[in-house]
Amino acid sequence: DAGVTQSPTHLIKTRGQQVTLRCSPKSGHDTVSWYQQALGQGPQFIFQYYEEEERQRGNFPDRFSGHQFPNYSSELNVNALLLGDSALYLCASSSVGVDYEQYFGPGTRLTVT
Amino acid sequence: GEDVEQSLFLSVREGDSSVINCTYTDSSSTYLYWYKQEPGAGLQLLTYIFSNMDMKQDQRLTVLLNKKDKHLSLRIADTQTGDSAIYFCAETPSNTDKLIFGTGTRLQVFP
Repeated sequence: DAGVTQSPTHLIKTRGQQVTLRCSPKSGHDTVSWYQQALGQGPQFIFQYYEEEERQRGNFPDRFSGHQFPNYSSELNVNALLLGDSALYLCASSSVGVDYEQYFGPGTRLTVT
Repeated sequence: GEDVEQSLFLSVREGDSSVINCTYTDSSSTYLYWYKQEPGAGLQLLTYIFSNMDMKQDQRLTVLLNKKDKHLSLRIADTQTGDSAIYFCAETPSNTDKLIFGTGTRLQVFP
């Protein structure tokens, strides 16, 4: 049973560029949440997708957007990258009705130069 | 408000018990969690406890919840070098599925 997978593993971008990160949820899960983890900090909630719609959102600017596909996989897009966007981006999946069990992927390390 | 606090470091000898503490401020939280993060890796769900429970035991792990003081602890019995990692406490406020994390406690186990 494949767990949560994310791609790419690492990414280097320049300020002002745009980036897309991808996540495939654990088999049987239909909900995907994205988190940003800055160095030395705990993860911060960005948003959550269910039934292809954004269900909840944290305190992140509109530069952060997402999408969920019919197969439950998800993308996180960040526009106009800032140096402060450098972080580990984590995807978590869960299942409606069992939302208390959120399983995380290995993350994508984004470096903005 | 939403705020989860943890001490930054804990160092224990192999074979001893480790106790990692956490305080949270949202009394409406439904579930409280412990996650483990090894260097360069994602988060591994260790265990969680429902807010109406006081204690949960799972093999070497014991979780204690004191709702009155909003205090959560994780005890690891017979700590091994493989337990060295960062441990995050997290809560889910009511009416939401988002996880609110603490800043993490780095556990170092020495022989």
